[in-house]
Amino acid sequence: GDSVTQMEGPVTLSEEAFLTINCTYTATGYPSLFWYVQYPGEGLQLLLKATKADDKGSNKGFEATYRKETTSFHLEKGSVQVSDSAVYFCALSGPNTGNQFYFGTGTSLTVIP
Amino acid sequence: NAGVMQNPRHLVRRRGQEARLRCSPMKGHSHVYWYRQLPEEGLKFMVYLQKENIIDESGMPKERFSAEFPKEGPSILRIQQVVRGDSAAYFCASSPPGSRNTGELFFGEGSRLTVL
Repeated sequence: GDSVTQMEGPVTLSEEAFLTINCTYTATGYPSLFWYVQYPGEGLQLLLKATKADDKGSNKGFEATYRKETTSFHLEKGSVQVSDSAVYFCALSGPNTGNQFYFGTGTSLTVIP
Repeated sequence: NAGVMQNPRHLVRRRGQEARLRCSPMKGHSHVYWYRQLPEEGLKFMVYLQKENIIDESGMPKERFSAEFPKEGPSILRIQQVVRGDSAAYFCASSPPGSRNTGELFFGEGSRLTVL
């Protein structure tokens, strides 16, 4: 069945470091791919998304490119800030999932000054 | 336009009691999803509902848990005879129907259940 596998954490980085959080997926058809972010004590909110192969989603300095050939959607940011400390979830949904969303297990990021 | 509203935000129950968690989706949204987040674990799908219908409950424990989304009123996740292992954050999310569905889920802030 459809699923998402993401890099396990926790990840600790210094401010202004480069961030990569890996995400790979298994799906039939062509799903949409998402990154959600959860700040401490809050619900998840959409960070970025891509709906077809080679699309790049971007928001708040974060980017992820939908790579069909490697079935990946890695999240990157060139220079992280303390305020980026949160848990990041990769997810997929699509016409073959019956509107169902599949989430990865989440990667906790802590950015230290 | 109010977001997804969940209540209560925090709920404390003793073992054997019942917990009822409510979720009002965003205006115009007819799809509701419930997820459970255990400490140090990821987000686990529980159930997907549309108005008056359970579409997918493959993530719901077979006993003690039930969910509904009536024609009027909020969606309710009900846990009977709670046990300590039910302590978790329960998140509700909603999305609009059909052609207005951009594929995004809108989450509430969660209900944190503590079982003593």
